[in-house]
Amino acid sequence: GAVVSQHPSRVICKSGTSVKIECRSLDFQATTMFWYRQFPKQSLMLMATSNEGSKATYEQGVEKDKFLINHASLTLSTLTVTSAHPEDSSFYICSVTDSNQPQHFGDGTRLSIL
Amino acid sequence: RKEVEQDPGPFNVPEGATVAFNCTYSNSASQSFFWYRQDCRKEPKLLMSVYSSGNEDGRFTAQLNRASQYISLLIRDSKLSDSATYLCVVNPPGTYKYIFGTGTRLKVLA
Repeated sequence: GAVVSQHPSRVICKSGTSVKIECRSLDFQATTMFWYRQFPKQSLMLMATSNEGSKATYEQGVEKDKFLINHASLTLSTLTVTSAHPEDSSFYICSVTDSNQPQHFGDGTRLSIL
Repeated sequence: RKEVEQDPGPFNVPEGATVAFNCTYSNSASQSFFWYRQDCRKEPKLLMSVYSSGNEDGRFTAQLNRASQYISLLIRDSKLSDSATYLCVVNPPGTYKYIFGTGTRLKVLA
């Protein structure tokens, strides 16, 4: 069965809208979750590491004020794309890990900003 | 030099063929390696971990060469359903982060 639940799977909205994406760990408590972004024909790029109970760690070049991450519980992390613009259109994927185990990925969220 | 490099392909092979992909990595201290499979517009799914001694799972064999800093994936008796993008993933030391290669696209033809 699924290990990770990501919602919504598809979002189409107008420029300037803020979009929230949820990532839930179904099988275990995840102190660490990851958020990736994938543009067409490119690889997954890590955006940030979400840490339960503390601030997220962002990769170089990722604006923390634009991509707000909240990891308030051991099973839920949210990514909010604030004031989204067309260049933010992408495939956003979360993953969870149980320390020594390989990461399991959510189904992804396809975001289209008009 | 990129942290993880793969030939993007595509590799077009007939059903039943054997195909191999290589992936090189730059951080010699990396400890964990994986192959993930990604179908078009879907999330990556773990195909197999790569162990130092090499490992096999059915038609799939993964190898690690630390001296030359590359990992490989061999697929025997290719099926149409093997058509996908195969992502090489490296876990640098001291972190749970994953570094993804750009992926190698495989098309198995009838």
